[in-house]
Amino acid sequence: TQLLEQSPQFLSIQEGENLTVYCNSSSVFSSLQWYRQEPGEGPVLLVTVVTGGEVKKLKRLTFQFGDARKDSSLHITAAQPGDTGLYLCAGGSGGSNYKLTFGKGTLLTVNP
Amino acid sequence: NAGVTQTPKFQVLKTGQSMTLQCAQDMNHNSMYWYRQDPGMGLRLIYYSASEGTTDKGEVPNGYNVSRLNKREFSLRLESAAPSQTSVYFCASSAALAPYNEQFFGPGTRLTVL
Repeated sequence: TQLLEQSPQFLSIQEGENLTVYCNSSSVFSSLQWYRQEPGEGPVLLVTVVTGGEVKKLKRLTFQFGDARKDSSLHITAAQPGDTGLYLCAGGSGGSNYKLTFGKGTLLTVNP
Repeated sequence: NAGVTQTPKFQVLKTGQSMTLQCAQDMNHNSMYWYRQDPGMGLRLIYYSASEGTTDKGEVPNGYNVSRLNKREFSLRLESAAPSQTSVYFCASSAALAPYNEQFFGPGTRLTVL
């Protein structure tokens, strides 16, 4: 069974601060996605990384896939209240079923 | 495009009642999924359909059944609801293009079983 551990589970910061969220596993994944979920809504895809060592940037968000494709990080620069939400990482193992393994999420609160 | 739609948005059932959650996608995706989300447990896969005409069990299938009605629609049925099935249910779809596995989620159904 593949598991994805996310840390921290909760994070409360002030507007303008930087933060990093981690997603770790002992298993290798063919792809790694990050989603953001706001209260009362479904998760929304932010990014997909598929190559070991890959770095992708989305405005103030930087996503990195570990060299061994077992871990990933999400870094937010100068956080804003609009970044508040539950951040979920999900790993794809390939194969014909296209299932994802989800971490339990990091609940981020950015205070004005 | 509406993306992934789910009905109903809210539902309250009594123990033992049955109901069907409906899901439809207009993105011509091959694969569809049903998840439940509980506090502290993350998203857990109930059932999935890798392609039209096929369905398979996920991590927590007990107490549920599914039907892939056509390429667009994938329903989840609770035959005899139990309080342990109180949860938020999400449907998702994917174009199933390896290795991306990207999934697109509906807005969820909030179910309470009394």
